[in-house]
Amino acid sequence: QVQLVQSGTEVKKPGASVKVSCQASGYIFNEYYISWVRQAPGQGLEWMGWINPSSGATKYAQKFQGRITMTRDTSMTTAYMELTSLRPDDTAVFYCARDDRSGCDYWGQGTLVTVSS
Amino acid sequence: DIVLTQTPLSSPVTLGQPASISCRSSQSLVHSDGNTYLSWFQQRPGQPPRFLIYRISTRFSGAPDRFSGSGAGADFTLKIDRVEAEDVGVYYCMQATQFPFTFGPGTKVDIK
Repeated sequence: QVQLVQSGTEVKKPGASVKVSCQASGYIFNEYYISWVRQAPGQGLEWMGWINPSSGATKYAQKFQGRITMTRDTSMTTAYMELTSLRPDDTAVFYCARDDRSGCDYWGQGTLVTVSS
Repeated sequence: DIVLTQTPLSSPVTLGQPASISCRSSQSLVHSDGNTYLSWFQQRPGQPPRFLIYRISTRFSGAPDRFSGSGAGADFTLKIDRVEAEDVGVYYCMQATQFPFTFGPGTKVDIK
């Protein structure tokens, strides 16, 4: 069965960086994009960008340009999302999701990132 | 960016009664490839979103058949035929026609 398993909770200070991992299993990793979605506490969903695991090509939302890097390790069937220059308003649950443009069909469990001094 | 507007933002419903959520886009969601990349998600408290409907009206594997999607262009609807207790949560529409992909603000469905 398709599974996306994300890394654990992080607590970071303002200005620091965080790197969240998303290990995929149960399907051919290279055949689907991985999207990353952010959800601030009590708020809605925000698409951050996606990566094509086959080519490594990425597309980021303009809002995160310059602060976000998505990478992948095909040998580990794992995608990564790194966000730098963290601010308190970056506190959120970050989700990875398998995506083929028709939609994000399988989601990771989410990773809570808290940014606080 | 494409803005998705959902109405209502809150929908108290009676068990067994229907519910309907509207999602309107700031522009047409018809892609140059002819597809309309509008999908719907359910999010229960403390859980990741669950994929329900894609390309306006195709139900995802495992989504109950009481959920249906309809619409075209820039105007879409999610309907729940007969609301059950497990349907409580927040429902989001999402467009993947144009970058950046965007979500609606969410509609909270709860039981009266």
